[in-house]
Amino acid sequence: SAVISQKPSRDICQRGTSLTIQCQVDSQVTMMFWYRQQPGQSLTLIATANQGSEATYESGFVIDKFPISRPNLTFSTLTVSNMSPEDSSIYLCSVGTGLAGSNEQFFGPGTRLTVL
Amino acid sequence: ELKVEQNPLFLSMQEGKNYTIYCNYSTTSDRLYWYRQDPGKSLESLFVLLSNGAVKQEGRLMASLDTKARLSTLHITAAVHDLSATYFCAVDRARGATNKLIFGTGTLLAVQP
Repeated sequence: SAVISQKPSRDICQRGTSLTIQCQVDSQVTMMFWYRQQPGQSLTLIATANQGSEATYESGFVIDKFPISRPNLTFSTLTVSNMSPEDSSIYLCSVGTGLAGSNEQFFGPGTRLTVL
Repeated sequence: ELKVEQNPLFLSMQEGKNYTIYCNYSTTSDRLYWYRQDPGKSLESLFVLLSNGAVKQEGRLMASLDTKARLSTLHITAAVHDLSATYFCAVDRARGATNKLIFGTGTLLAVQP
């Protein structure tokens, strides 16, 4: 499986500011995704990061709030814009290989965000 | 809209006991995944189930998939403390959909000595 790193691992931010989270993979992958995990909750897909085109957002998530970049097949960023305390969550990137007909995804270590 | 429910949400069990976690989903899918999450950690892939009747086993854990019943089970045999974690099932959103997983509510497992 791919080795995935995220930066920063955690941050504490002030309301109204923005934070950009980086996701780096050690090999080229077709599919990259961003998830949010609110405290004590399950994972919710924010968007699919598409290389060379705009990200595909899930219902309830918009580009103005969560702009995503995917400049190549090993890297993506997620920005959480104009933050409020409700944005306090763990943000995880994942990658899918699509091998053998499986949609198994592998997850990065996550970024723990606290908004004051 | 695909919904994925797990039960129980919390499970406290003694070492050496057996138990089963259930994952029900609401629409057709033939691919299901189980993940483990330790406190403060990311998700670790446990099992990939790609067809009706699929059964996978690793150590004290065994997962199965019944696509007709829209049900997967994760069975724990002779639990040990090291199995304490949160377990998630995840279902492909729809047949043929591109890598979009819907996660279950999670089951927090606490194995007591």
